[in-house]
This record gives sequence, C-alpha cells and structure tokens, in this order.
Amino acid sequence: GAGVSQSPSNKVTEKGKDVELRCDPISGHTALYWYRQSLGQGLEFLIYFQGNSAPDKSGLPSDRFSAERTGGSVSTLTIQRTQQEDSAVYLCASSLAAPGLGRDNEQFFGPGTRLTVL
Amino acid sequence: AQSVSQHNHHVILSEAASLELGCNYSYGGTVNLFWYVQYPGQHLQLLLKYFSGDPLVKGIKGFEAEFIKSKFSFNLRKPSVQWSDTAEYFCAVRKWGTGGFKTIFGAGTRLFVKA
Repeated sequence: GAGVSQSPSNKVTEKGKDVELRCDPISGHTALYWYRQSLGQGLEFLIYFQGNSAPDKSGLPSDRFSAERTGGSVSTLTIQRTQQEDSAVYLCASSLAAPGLGRDNEQFFGPGTRLTVL
Repeated sequence: AQSVSQHNHHVILSEAASLELGCNYSYGGTVNLFWYVQYPGQHLQLLLKYFSGDPLVKGIKGFEAEFIKSKFSFNLRKPSVQWSDTAEYFCAVRKWGTGGFKTIFGAGTRLFVKA
C-alpha cells in the first residue's frame, strides 16, 4: 500500500507483559515519528527517527519505552512491563524529509495501534 | 509551561452554521502551524498549514485559518459547515527545541454537525 501501516491494529495485554508495536512508513520517507493518544488527550510526541538514528527521544515517558528503526524503514516501539496507564492509541507518522522550519515536511499518519493493558 | 491550547473540546453545530475553532500556543520564536483532521474511522490528515507569507491560509474542503502573531493564535474557520465535517480537529505547532524540531499537538476539538 501507499500509506503508513501499523500492526497490530489492536493489542490487549496483561499488566507486566512486554509488547511490540510495528510501523511501516511510506517508502522513501526518511523521517518517522511515534505519538501516543490517550483518551481525551492530544497527541503526545514520543520519539522521531531520521534514518536509523533518533535525534529526539525526549518524549519517551519512561525507560520502559524504547524504539528502534532498521534499514531506514520499519520501526518497532517496545513497551516493557506494561502498566494500565500505557493504554492508548499509538500513532506512527512518516515524512519525506527531516522536520525543519519552513520546509514542507507533511507528516502522514498511520491508522494507529490501540493498546489496552488489563 | 509551553503548550498548544484548543479552547473547545466539543462543538455541536447545525448544518450551514459558521465554524471557528480556537488555537493558541505559547512558544516564542519562529513556528510552523498546522490543522489536522480525523474523520470517524479514518487516519489523521493534514487540513492546512502555515509556514510564512500571507497569514490567511486556505485549506481543503473550504477551511481556512488565520495566523495572528501578536495573539499567538491560529484559529480555524469555515463559513458554512456540512454534516460531513463531523470529525476531530487538532491544532499543531512545529518549533525548534532540544534535540531539534518537534511538532506539538493540541488536545483536539470534537465537532458534531447536525443534519
């Protein structure tokens, strides 16, 4: 497909388990972003990748959260020892180039993964 | 704290009514501004954006937004809404910060248009 894809679309897990969320960006897009959308909240920035490196990890809520990107393409967001407050929709976006002021770097969003921690 | 504020969390309008959704941000310096829309069951998509130049920006589906620098505002407007405009609308600000550029989103405004 031509858009950003994410898997799984829904994930239900038990507290304390680890989960992996996957994002496939649009082919050729060098920048990839992870956001979290909790009920009634806006989109909370987590991390972004330029190529395989992550210049900005400041949004990761705790050291239980990590992300990696390989081959400049697929990215995985891992949450270890999940807690109930991790329940949210995790959105991935990609853009053609790195974010910068005055440059047209529209972010294209995927459908999200709805994570429910019981 | 620096933030992006959307004043209305829920808005209910009848078809043909005029719409204005407020967005204010608290960042100094140069910013880029965006409005995104998420229709029910669909992905977030870009509605319009402001980088520089004319502060009145036209977007898709008859939407427009005006950047007022002195008020740190970027309000979204549409003269006459349709039932199909029912969606959630997010204002976003791209700014320079620690680690580089970052896009900060508001909490969103849910618009329901009655047919």
